[in-house]
Amino acid sequence: EGQLVESGGGSVQPGGSLRLSCAASGFTFSSFWMHWVRQAPGKGLEWVSRINSDGTSTNYADSVRGRFTISRDNAKNTLYLQMNSLRAEDTAVYYCARDPTLWYFDLWGRGNLVTVSS
Amino acid sequence: DIQMTQSPSTLSASVGDRVTITCRASEDISNWLAWYQQKPGKAPNLLIYKASSLDSGVPSRISASGSGTEFALTISSLQPDDFATYYCQHYKNYPLTFGGGTKVEIK
Repeated sequence: EGQLVESGGGSVQPGGSLRLSCAASGFTFSSFWMHWVRQAPGKGLEWVSRINSDGTSTNYADSVRGRFTISRDNAKNTLYLQMNSLRAEDTAVYYCARDPTLWYFDLWGRGNLVTVSS
Repeated sequence: DIQMTQSPSTLSASVGDRVTITCRASEDISNWLAWYQQKPGKAPNLLIYKASSLDSGVPSRISASGSGTEFALTISSLQPDDFATYYCQHYKNYPLTFGGGTKVEIK
């Protein structure tokens, strides 16, 4: 079935940086595209970014393009999200999610809260 | 960007009721639509992909239909485990977008 576990969240001041990690287990990580999806407190879901299976292709939401970078290390079965120039509106629970090659999400992590506040 | 609009935003129902949630896309997305269930404090869980295909382990009381711009998720007989928030998501192109959610609450 598989499991995804996010880490690296926390509190940061506006303009700061954080790197989220997502450790995958129980499936062949290198075969799957992966995504980050976020959810602001009390709000709906917002897709953030995706990366293909070998890390050579990425997409970003307009709201994070130029500030966030998605990457992966298939040798370590780990997905990353480098977040720079953080804003208050980036405050959310960040989920990593597995994509069965059709751009929807069939496995989700538990989520990791990022709070941007002065 | 494709906008996804769900209705209603909140639905009050009783155990055993038949409930339907609708999702409308701002342009034709064929059948590139997924539905998720989310319970408080938990990650979303995939229910439906390709507009009407049930994911593994999803109970048969849940069904979905639609194509183009109009879609529906139906629960034939609401069970206590079904009280949650439901989201639709298109995957025709990037950016992927979700509907605003429908909270199914106990009447």
